[in-house]
This record gives sequence, structure tokens and C-alpha cells, in this order.
Amino acid sequence: QQQVKQSPQSLIVQKGGISIINCAYENTAFDYFPWYQQFPGKGPALLIAIRPDVSEKKEGRFTISFNKSAKQFSLHIMDSQPGDSATYFCAATIDTGTASKLTFGTGTRLQVTL
Amino acid sequence: DGGITQSPKYLFRKEGQNVTLSCEQNLNHDAMYWYRQDPGQGLRLIYYSQIVNDFQKGDIAEGYSVSREKKESFPLTVTSAQKNPTAFYLCASSQGLAVDTDTQYFGPGTRLTVL
Repeated sequence: QQQVKQSPQSLIVQKGGISIINCAYENTAFDYFPWYQQFPGKGPALLIAIRPDVSEKKEGRFTISFNKSAKQFSLHIMDSQPGDSATYFCAATIDTGTASKLTFGTGTRLQVTL
Repeated sequence: DGGITQSPKYLFRKEGQNVTLSCEQNLNHDAMYWYRQDPGQGLRLIYYSQIVNDFQKGDIAEGYSVSREKKESFPLTVTSAQKNPTAFYLCASSQGLAVDTDTQYFGPGTRLTVL
């Protein structure tokens, strides 16, 4: 059972455009939502994360929008650059005070063209 | 890759053989994790360990085993009981247990192919 659904599977954006990746979750107990960026042949790296008590978090060109009532959150990459070309994963977890068990989405392969 | 090493980068094994994947971290992190990544399925948790000599099953533990004899090491054995072992395996670690202050750092991964 996929608890975090991610779309689209792949995305092509022109340089300077806005990349938008969407995720939806089912478990209302989730209370921490990170996004990871993965380059080919490398492990994922934390990009940005949000808790459900805020509706938006921005770090540089990356913004997470969060809609608690709809159980959806999205990653926006402003002024997309070729160096942003990577696979992006959304994730969710429950802060139980024990080792965090992340539930990942299926990933979005982003390609930024010149 | 944040001080986490995985070896080897590529691994081939014959069907029916057990194989052990290495994961070492020099970050002095308490928690360590093993994930499996398959195309179109994201990352799935195999096992995790919060402290030395203790570990818990994740979502897809069947056919895998782990040990945590040292804080810096968390090897994963893929046994012959794992029906579809060909995948990209990722090890991660985190300082402690708080989800938002203890980021999981991932290693570079090991790609296992069963021939």
C-alpha cells in the first residue's frame, strides 16, 4: 500500500521555468514531510522539510506548499536550472521520538533543458 | 555523502548465494538504516537500528538480515531467501531520534545484481 503518492513520474522544464512536484498522503498521523534530491549514482540528500503547522516554507529557490485539509504537499522550484536535474522524492514520517521511519513517494525525475 | 561509505559500489552474485553489503559511518551517529530502491517504487525501509546491538525490521525485512556490533557499522546480508534481490541498496544514518533535527544522511549506495 502506497501511503505517499507522488506525481508526475517525470517532468521536463525549460531553464528559468517553475518545476512543480506534488505529493498526497493518507496517514493523518504523519507530522514531518521532507523532500530529498538524488543525482544519478548517488544517495538522496535532504533538500527541504516542513511540519503541518505551517502552510509554506521557502529556502532559496525551493518552496514547499502544504495543505493539511487536503493531505497534500508540493515542491516548487523557481527559476529552474540545468543543475536541478535530478530525481526528487517526497517523504513523510511520524515523530515518535524513536528512529524516524520515512515513507517515501515513488520519485519524480526532473530534467531542466536549456 | 556525509561520511557514510558503502562497499562495493557494484556487486554481482549468483542466484542462491548470500551476500553482505557493507555500511560504515564516521559521523558518530546513533541511528542507522537500510533502504532498497527499485525503479518506480521509491525507497523502502529494510531494517533500522537505534543503538548498538539492537535493530528493528522495516517494511520489507523478509530475506534480509543485519547486525550492529559497532556503532559505526551496520552490514546488511541479502540471503538466498530474498526472492528478488536485484536492486540499489542505500544505507543512511542520523544523529539521534528527532525527525526534524536529526537528518538522515545517505551513503552512495550499492547496486546488487543477481545473475
